[in-house]
Amino acid sequence: AQRVTQPEKLLSVFKGAPVELKCNYSYSGSPELFWYVQYSRQRLQLLLRHISRESIKGFTADLNKGETSFHLKKPFAQEEDSAMYYCALKTSGSRLTFGEGTQLTVNP
Amino acid sequence: DTAVSQTPKYLVTQMGNDKSIKCEQNLGHDTMYWYKQDSKKFLKIMFSYNNKELIINETVPNRFSPKSPDKAHLNLHINSLELGDSAVYFCASSRQLNYGYTFGSGTRLTVV
Repeated sequence: AQRVTQPEKLLSVFKGAPVELKCNYSYSGSPELFWYVQYSRQRLQLLLRHISRESIKGFTADLNKGETSFHLKKPFAQEEDSAMYYCALKTSGSRLTFGEGTQLTVNP
Repeated sequence: DTAVSQTPKYLVTQMGNDKSIKCEQNLGHDTMYWYKQDSKKFLKIMFSYNNKELIINETVPNRFSPKSPDKAHLNLHINSLELGDSAVYFCASSRQLNYGYTFGSGTRLTVV
C-alpha cells in the first residue's frame, strides 16, 4: 500500500539558515510526488511537483528513487516561509495520499 | 474568478443536525474530491468523483454522502452530526491527467 512519511511534525530554523523538510514514500508503482504548502488558515497550494523539476519561492525537491525520498530544500529560509508543508504521493485513480505534514517556523 | 469555491466558509451547528457543504470549480476539471483535515492537521481523502461518477469512497460513516449534480459541482451532505465531525473540509479538483490538485479554501465545521 502507498504511504507517505514526514518524520518531523515541527521544524524550527532561523532566518537565512538552510532548511530541509524530509519526505519518504512507499509505493510499488511509478511515483508522482508533490509538495503542498498551507499558510495559516489558508487553502493548500501546490508548491512543487517532481515532474517539472522547478524551483518555486527558492524551494527545490529531487526525487530519489533509490532512497524513496522527495525532500524539500531551501538554502536560505525566510520568515514568510513559515507554514505547514505536506508531501503527497499520487497513485491510482488520481488519489493523492498526504503525509502528516511538517509545521515549519522560521524565526527572525 | 475563484477556481474552487466552497460554501460556507464557517459552519457551527449542534449535534444531531444535518448540514451540507457546497463546492464548485470553474476550471473544467474532470475530477473532484473531498478531504478532511483533523485537529492535528492530518489530511485524509473521503471521496472522489470523476465526471459525476464516484471513484473513491474511503471508510467514512454512512452519515456522509457526496452528491455530484454535474462535473463542476461536488456537494457533501452530513446527517446526524457528531462532535467528532468537527474539522476543516477541503474540496479539490484536478484534470484526469493532472499536475496536482487545486484546493478550495476549506469549510471549518464546528459541532457543539
